[in-house]
Amino acid sequence: DTGVSQDPRHKITKRGQNVTFRCDPISEHNRLYWYRQTLGQGPEFLTYFQNEAQLEKSRLLSDRFSAERPKGSFSTLEIQRTEQGDSAMYLCASSLTGAGRNTDTQYFGPGTRLTVL
Amino acid sequence: QKEVEQDPGPLSVPEGAIVSLNCTYSNSAFQYFMWYRQYSRKGPELLMYTYSSGNKEDGRFTAQVDKSSKYISLFIRDSQPSDSATYLCAMSADSSASKIIFGSGTRLSIRP
Repeated sequence: DTGVSQDPRHKITKRGQNVTFRCDPISEHNRLYWYRQTLGQGPEFLTYFQNEAQLEKSRLLSDRFSAERPKGSFSTLEIQRTEQGDSAMYLCASSLTGAGRNTDTQYFGPGTRLTVL
Repeated sequence: QKEVEQDPGPLSVPEGAIVSLNCTYSNSAFQYFMWYRQYSRKGPELLMYTYSSGNKEDGRFTAQVDKSSKYISLFIRDSQPSDSATYLCAMSADSSASKIIFGSGTRLSIRP
């Protein structure tokens, strides 16, 4: 399977702990996105990278959240001092964008479900 | 008010029926319109992609965009139980669709 993969699929943590999620995009894709999805809602944009550069961050991404894509391949999303309100599905997507392309389709991974107790 | 409004449902129809799913939006800058399907415990998968106003057909699925009314629709013909999922409308203002705004999703159930 060469789709987007995310690890872990589920994470249960206690309030105040730090957690880190990993996303491996489709291999040739240069863009990588993070979204958060809560129950009954659509995904909300958090941030995206083009290669290793983080190009945009949502206001939803508080200073407790940090994302990296150090070599332009996989990405990590870390949440420090987790709060119960951080409980959600964290989705990663990747796309290929470049010259001559009008659109870039985002392909989503299965998500990491975070539960903060 | 949310930028994208979508009736959450749930919507239940018998197999073979035509399904109509709709979204309204407020941002006139949106030019790229998408429909995603999301099965339980899975990530969204892209079904249809439309630029500006008009219709687009792909098999049993037809997407319609009416920019003058800020209204988009997805029609599913000959609905199947395997179509049971949450359908998310999504839209973007920029040409590379890098920042997508999603609706809240409509939960659809097709009864055999």
